[in-house]
Amino acid sequence: GDSVTQTEGPVTVSESESLIINCTYSATSIAYPNLFWYVRYPGEGLQLLLKVITAGQKGSSRGFEATYNKETTSFHLQKASVQESDSAVYYCALGVQQGTGSKLSFGKGAKLTVSP
Amino acid sequence: GPKVLQIPSHQIIDMGQMVTLNCDPVSNHLYFYWYKQILGQQMEFLVNFYNGKVMEKSKLFKDQFSVERPDGSYFTLKIQPTALEDSAVYFCASSFHYEQYFGPGTRLTVL
Repeated sequence: GDSVTQTEGPVTVSESESLIINCTYSATSIAYPNLFWYVRYPGEGLQLLLKVITAGQKGSSRGFEATYNKETTSFHLQKASVQESDSAVYYCALGVQQGTGSKLSFGKGAKLTVSP
Repeated sequence: GPKVLQIPSHQIIDMGQMVTLNCDPVSNHLYFYWYKQILGQQMEFLVNFYNGKVMEKSKLFKDQFSVERPDGSYFTLKIQPTALEDSAVYFCASSFHYEQYFGPGTRLTVL
């Protein structure tokens, strides 16, 4: 089946340092799935951070970016300079869109702590 | 942004009892989903629902599980009877197309 493997937490980074959270995927049900990064801030629900539905494209939001690389089947999340407010759990997800709707396969999540 | 609500936030029940988890999806969304997350594991797809019907379900969606959305009200997940292994956080989601919006989850504890 479809699956996602990502950096698992905890990940600790100092404020203003760069960040990379790795994500690779395996899609057996579809050649080019949709790829997502979701984030859960403390005390809040899961929310979409960014998405890319076309291979080779880059998505970005709130200073984060990720590029859909079909050659390496990767979708790593990067940020050049993190802030304390970025502390959260980050989930990489693969989505298969069909006529019956879509379903997401998630990674286990990476808990990011940004220290001042 | 659009909000998905889930009621209750926590539920504790005895094994063998019935439980109904409620989800209030985004108003104009067409597709509805349930996911299950056991502590320490990843969130896993249970079922998706469209136009009053189950479209796809995973092997985790046991015969004891059912979903419905009567008359555009809450989208519900019913488990009858519950088992110890049903203890988990259940997340509801809804979408218009491929972008799913998630609720905060219901933590279900089966004793």
